[in-house]
Amino acid sequence: KQEVTQIPAALSVPEGENLVLNCSFTDSAIYNLQWFRQDPGKGLTSLLLIQSSQREQTSGRLNASLDKSSGRSTLYIAASQPGDSATYLCAVDGSGFQKLVFGTGTRLLVSP
Amino acid sequence: DAGVTQSPTHLIKTRGQQVTLRCSPKSGHDTVSWYQQALGQGPQFIFQYYEEEERQRGNFPDRFSGHQFPNYSSELNVNALLLGDSALYLCASSLEWGQGYGYTFGSGTRLTVV
Repeated sequence: KQEVTQIPAALSVPEGENLVLNCSFTDSAIYNLQWFRQDPGKGLTSLLLIQSSQREQTSGRLNASLDKSSGRSTLYIAASQPGDSATYLCAVDGSGFQKLVFGTGTRLLVSP
Repeated sequence: DAGVTQSPTHLIKTRGQQVTLRCSPKSGHDTVSWYQQALGQGPQFIFQYYEEEERQRGNFPDRFSGHQFPNYSSELNVNALLLGDSALYLCASSLEWGQGYGYTFGSGTRLTVV
């Protein structure tokens, strides 16, 4: 059974810092991995999707890497801003049929 | 281009009642999945619909059922509501089942069971 763990559970940083969020998964046989952002009480916004054959994806100040063999992914946020404050969720698709297994998220607070 | 639309946004029900939640997928998407997110937890997969059939199901009891219509919209029904069913219910749509293109999520329906 696939299990996804995210560390840390919560993170508080001053504006401008670069930061790394970690995601690990127990079954390395994944089809893809996706990072989402969730604002309080809201739905999920897709940030980056990495196919199993890829090593990383970039979008603006965000960079996500994938090491499938070790069961790890990281989300790197450069020059953090208060608007980045949210919960970040990692999810893996083990089959390609879009049944996602989520971690419990990292709650990020960026202070001005 | 409209994204995923869910209704209602909030709902309060009494234990034992039944509830129906609705979802309209993003234009062009044909697959709809439903997730339950308890407070402070990650979303849990309930089931997925494609071509009006339930194609995959998570570890949820039969009290949870669904339907997909010819226009790809979907409903989630929960019978005999329990206090533990209180959660944010998220609908996600995607393009082509099996292609792994990723999801578009709606804003969710907040269900409170009292």
